[in-house]
Amino acid sequence: EAGVTQSPTHLIKTRGQQATLRCSPISGHTSVYWYQQALGLGLQFLLWYDEGEERNRGNFPPRFSGRQFPNYSSELNVNALELEDSALYLCASSRLGGSYQETQYFGPGTRLLVL
Amino acid sequence: DQQVKQNSPSLSVQEGRISILNCDYTNSMFDYFLWYKKYPAEGPTFLISISSIKDKNEDGRFTVFLNKSAKHLSLHIVPSQPGDSAVYFCAASAQQAGGTSYGKLTFGQGTILTVHP
Repeated sequence: EAGVTQSPTHLIKTRGQQATLRCSPISGHTSVYWYQQALGLGLQFLLWYDEGEERNRGNFPPRFSGRQFPNYSSELNVNALELEDSALYLCASSRLGGSYQETQYFGPGTRLLVL
Repeated sequence: DQQVKQNSPSLSVQEGRISILNCDYTNSMFDYFLWYKKYPAEGPTFLISISSIKDKNEDGRFTVFLNKSAKHLSLHIVPSQPGDSAVYFCAASAQQAGGTSYGKLTFGQGTILTVHP
């Protein structure tokens, strides 16, 4: 069974540009989660999508947004990039999003560098 | 406000011995806990989980213990192997009314485990 896949693996942007990161969940998983791991910090919850809807978001500004497509894949968009957005962005998926006991399975991440 | 804490940034263990990684939490609403292992340049890999209705869960070499009254959990790896060398994260989730999810895992800062041959 294929795991969570993310693209691109690396992304270099300049300040003020927009970045788009993509995620394909494990087959049969309907929920997708996004996390940020900045240098020296732990994993911080960004967004949760389930059945095409945004269900919850973490403490991040509105320039972090995304969407989930009918095939359950997801996109994370970061507008007006700032230097501190440089981080590893991890996507995870779970089979069902409704239960708090769902295990989230992570992809390899996209490393974003903002210059 | 760090709700999940792993107070030991690193742990060094000899191959074949037991590794014990610890995690403390402050939010009493947390009732599902997970451990992940992470190698450099890879995403976290799920290891084992435990619900708050249990105090122990075992899977092969990995055992997780939960002490709800102390808000403490630990991961035991026996026997430790050099391939276990990685960063270990504990994570917690809370339930909303009706047992539904917020979708959010709250992670600790991680503990770097080094297993020496």
